[in-house]
Amino acid sequence: AQTVTQSQPEMSVQEAETVTLSCTYDTSESDYYLFWYKQPPSRQMILVIRQEAYKQQNATENRFSVNFQKAAKSFSLKISDSQLGDAAMYFCAYRSGSVSGSRLTFGEGTQLTVNP
Amino acid sequence: DTAVSQTPKYLVTQMGNDKSIKCEQNLGHDTMYWYKQDSKKFLKIMFSYNNKELIINETVPNRFSPKSPDKAHLNLHINSLELGDSAVYFCASSQLGGGAPDTQYFGPGTRLTVL
Repeated sequence: AQTVTQSQPEMSVQEAETVTLSCTYDTSESDYYLFWYKQPPSRQMILVIRQEAYKQQNATENRFSVNFQKAAKSFSLKISDSQLGDAAMYFCAYRSGSVSGSRLTFGEGTQLTVNP
Repeated sequence: DTAVSQTPKYLVTQMGNDKSIKCEQNLGHDTMYWYKQDSKKFLKIMFSYNNKELIINETVPNRFSPKSPDKAHLNLHINSLELGDSAVYFCASSQLGGGAPDTQYFGPGTRLTVL
C-alpha cells in the first residue's frame, strides 16, 4: 500500500518570503500522480498543483512550484512571494496511475502560517 | 454554478439517529468519492462510484451505505450514528481515464457532530 508522509506539522513564513513544504511517499509503482491541495479555514479543498510521475519537468503554477525527485520519492512544494491568503493546511496526495486505483492517499498535512 | 455541492454543510444529531448527506456534481464527471476527515485533519477514502458502480469500498462500518442514483449524484446514509462518526465528510468527483490525470474536485464538506 502506498503511504504519504509530511514531516512538518507546522511551518511559518514572512509575507513576501519563500517557503518549502516537504512530502515523501512510498510506492512500488512506476506510474502515478502527485498533488498538493490547500485547505483554508473555510475547509474547502483546493487543488494547488499536480505532477505526473513520467514527466521529468517540475510542475509550476504561478507562485507555486514543486521539486519532484522520483528516485528519492520526494515531492516538495515551494511557495514564492508568500501572501496572507496562502495561510492554510496543505496536503500532499498520491494517486496510482491505474484506472482502478483512483483513490487519493493523503499525507497528514502541514499547517502554514503567513506572518505580516 | 458550484461544481461539487453537498447538503447539508452542518449536521448536528443525537447518537443512534440515522442521517443522510447528499452530493451533486455538475462537471460531467463519471466518478464520485466520499472521504472522511477526522479531528486531526487526516483525510481517508471511504467509497467511490464510477458510472453508478461501486469501485472502492474501504473498511468502514456497514452502518455507512453509499448510493448513487446517477453519475451526477452520490449520497451517504449513516445508520445508528455513534460519537466516533463525528467528522467532516467530503464528496469529490473526477473523470477517470482519458489519458490525463484525473484531478479530483472537492465539495465544501459536511461537518457532522454526533452528541
